Amino acid sequence: DAGVIQSPRHEVTEMGQEVTLRCKLISGHNSLFWYRQTMMRGLELLIYFNNNVPIDDSGMPEDRFSAKMPNASFSTLKIQPSEPRDSAVYFCASSLRMSGGETQYFGPGTRLLVL
Amino acid sequence: GDSVTQMEGPVTLSEEAFLTINCTYTATGYPSLFWYVQYPGEGLQLLLKATKADDKGSNKGFEATYRKETTSFHLEKGSVQVSDSAVYFCALSVAGGSEKLVFGKGMKLTVNP
Repeated sequence: DAGVIQSPRHEVTEMGQEVTLRCKLISGHNSLFWYRQTMMRGLELLIYFNNNVPIDDSGMPEDRFSAKMPNASFSTLKIQPSEPRDSAVYFCASSLRMSGGETQYFGPGTRLLVL
Repeated sequence: GDSVTQMEGPVTLSEEAFLTINCTYTATGYPSLFWYVQYPGEGLQLLLKATKADDKGSNKGFEATYRKETTSFHLEKGSVQVSDSAVYFCALSVAGGSEKLVFGKGMKLTVNP
């Protein structure tokens, strides 16, 4: 089975540009998580969805960040406008929610560099 | 709030050495506990988990036991290999049926031949 798919794997952009990161969930999973990883702050949960509905977006840094699930298998994370401090590796993860404590399956990540 | 504290390293070991990575947690209720591993250039992947007190998770020679009395979930392996070089994250799921994971800061392990 295909795992979580993320694209692009690498993105280099200039400050002020819009960046869109994409994620395809594992077939049959119903929860989606976006994380950001940096050396300074470690792994941070940005937002998560269950059945396409955002459940907790308290980790979204500011209004420049937005995330959507246009359908049950796909999600986007958009940064507009991007800033150098957004440079990080962004992971999405999916899981099949049942009663809690389920395993999350991570994608390979998108390495973003904002110049 | 819920939190995880783990050894941060980095740690360098020789092949076949014994490994222990300490992890303690603070949580309300009864969380599930996890160890995830991140190999260079990859995303995190589940190494093992335990969902209730005294459960032992094991995989690839690694073991960890859910100790409620000491609020710990220490990871151990009797003989590490070069291929175990990675970053190891301890995590808990927020109790009450939530899927949200709280991660420790991760510990980088390098194993030399």
